[in-house]
Amino acid sequence: KQEVTQIPAALSVPEGENLVLNCSFTDSAIYNLQWFRQDPGKGLTSLLLIQSSQREQTSGRLNASLDKSSGRSTLYIAASQPGDSATYLCAVYDTGKLIFGQGTTLQVKP
Amino acid sequence: DTGVSQNPRHKITKRGQNVTFRCDPISEHNRLYWYRQTLGQGPEFLTYFQNEAQLEKSRLLSDRFSAERPKGSFSTLEIQRTEQGDSAMYLCASSWGTGTSSGNTIYFGEGSWLTVV
Repeated sequence: KQEVTQIPAALSVPEGENLVLNCSFTDSAIYNLQWFRQDPGKGLTSLLLIQSSQREQTSGRLNASLDKSSGRSTLYIAASQPGDSATYLCAVYDTGKLIFGQGTTLQVKP
Repeated sequence: DTGVSQNPRHKITKRGQNVTFRCDPISEHNRLYWYRQTLGQGPEFLTYFQNEAQLEKSRLLSDRFSAERPKGSFSTLEIQRTEQGDSAMYLCASSWGTGTSSGNTIYFGEGSWLTVV
């Protein structure tokens, strides 16, 4: 059974810092991995999709990497801003559905 | 393209009542998913459709839960005889995919909040 874990559960940083969010999964036989952002009380916004054959994807200040063999992905956020404050969720696509981690709640202080 | 639309956004109901949520996916998407999320947790998979066929149901989806997707367009999720433990946000998502693999982004709606009192 696929399990996804995100560490840390919460993170607080001053504005301008670069930071890394971690995601690990137990079964490396995944099709792809998605990173999402969720604001309080809202739905999920897709940030990046990494196919199983890819090692990384970039969008603006965000860079996500994937290492299938070790069952790990990281989301790197450069030059963090208060508007980046949200919960970040990673999810692996496993035979027909996404399986989510519990998320990392990020607070960026001005 | 207006994205995934969910209605109602909020529902408060008394224990024992039935509730129904509706999801309108992105128009060209053939796959539709339902998830449930409680506070502080990641979304949990409930079920998904490819066109009108319901391909998988989670064990979380008890007999009180039923989902339909007539004609492969919008979908409804009905909860019968609601219990306080059903209080959660119900998320709908859609994508384009074939077979068991999908290389495509899955897009989520804003969710429907259910409070059972």
